[in-house]
Amino acid sequence: GQNIDQPTEMTATEGAIVQINCTYQTSGFNGLFWYQQHAGEAPTFLSYNVLDGLEEKGRFSSFLSRSKGYSYLLLKELQMKDSASYLCAVRDSNYQLIWGAGTKLIIKP
Amino acid sequence: ETGVTQTPRHLVMGMTNKKSLKCEQHLGHNAMYWYKQSAKKPLELMFVYNFKEQTENNSVPSRFSPECPNSSHLFLHLHTLQPEDSALYLCASRQGLADTDTQYFGPGTRLTVL
Repeated sequence: GQNIDQPTEMTATEGAIVQINCTYQTSGFNGLFWYQQHAGEAPTFLSYNVLDGLEEKGRFSSFLSRSKGYSYLLLKELQMKDSASYLCAVRDSNYQLIWGAGTKLIIKP
Repeated sequence: ETGVTQTPRHLVMGMTNKKSLKCEQHLGHNAMYWYKQSAKKPLELMFVYNFKEQTENNSVPSRFSPECPNSSHLFLHLHTLQPEDSALYLCASRQGLADTDTQYFGPGTRLTVL
């Protein structure tokens, strides 16, 4: 079966750095996405990785290792508004998105 | 503004009711999706439409009936639902089938079935 694993919940301090991991086992791989979802709101696109390595976009970076079936989302200089759920999704060989259950990130002052 | 709107935002219905969820995208996209999001569970893909044609139906019970009259509008008709159908129903759209095409989500309809 296809599976995406990510921690259920994480807590971090304002101004700090946090890394949210995602491991996947899918039938084929055609890219990995990270989305942010604030409570009661729509998921919004954060990043896309299809090749190994690090993609940096401001305070957020996303890393991919296809050989290890592993990705992480790195958030720097955390702000209270970063409190949200972070969803990892992998596009499989049929070009369908397989979603993780999301990681709820709680930022404390 | 998200570019994808959904109405209503909240809906409470009995098991014998019939209701419809509406989604509209203002982005000129060609594909539209219905997802179900339950607490602490992955997003579940329900239906996919490409150029108004249904291309995916992930074994969804017949009490959920989609309709896509044009590439900008998507409906989900509901009838004789069960309490376990209570969830957040998200609509999304996508430009095309290019690898980097991302999905844009609406804010969802929070559905409660009594």
